[in-house]
Amino acid sequence: EVQLVETGGGLVQPGGSLRLSCAASGFTVSTNYMTWVRQAPGKGLEWVSVIYRDGRTYYTDSVKGRFTISRDNSKNMFYIQMNSLRAEDTAVYFCARGNYYDITGYSFDPWGQGTLVTVSS
Amino acid sequence: QSVLTQPPSASGTPRQRVTISCSGSRSNIGSNSVNWYQHLPGTAPKLLIYSNNQRPSGVPDRFSGSKSATSASLAISGLQSEDEADYYCAAWDDSLNGYVFGTGTKITVL
Repeated sequence: EVQLVETGGGLVQPGGSLRLSCAASGFTVSTNYMTWVRQAPGKGLEWVSVIYRDGRTYYTDSVKGRFTISRDNSKNMFYIQMNSLRAEDTAVYFCARGNYYDITGYSFDPWGQGTLVTVSS
Repeated sequence: QSVLTQPPSASGTPRQRVTISCSGSRSNIGSNSVNWYQHLPGTAPKLLIYSNNQRPSGVPDRFSGSKSATSASLAISGLQSEDEADYYCAAWDDSLNGYVFGTGTKITVL
């Protein structure tokens, strides 16, 4: 069964750091696009970052320079390292697999259940 | 903040047809494919439509997607109570060099 499970969420003070992990089963992380999406309380879905098969990475503007996406092929996992956290980073963070279908784009499926990150003093 | 605009809410009675619009621009919907996701709070989002109008296996044919120029739409025919959820359009944006989600539409079944 294709599945994703996030871990690592929790409460962190402003300016602190946290690393979220996403464990994949049923497919190989290194041969797929892997992404993080978040949802702040009462808000909609917001794309955060993606890592492509070839290692290229992209980020939404609000996290550039603070968040780093990476993967460990040997463990079939990927991560997002979050530094200099702000209150506005408080959200449920979902990991998802990106399915490339053609040059015009890719979709996210499946998704993990999400892990809550709370940035507060 | 989102570059893809959706109506905040829509509703219908059982068996009715409901349509959700998604308005973008040349750099996102105008250049790339649109995907649609269904999200029930507290659960994992679910892919409903990919590549503008394709349904993943397991998604009922009551759900259909279309795209024209810089806009897209999701139609739900034969509305059912289980369709009550939030729906999001999404696409890659060539100008932002990032993926963008729509503002989201909450569907209520009356």
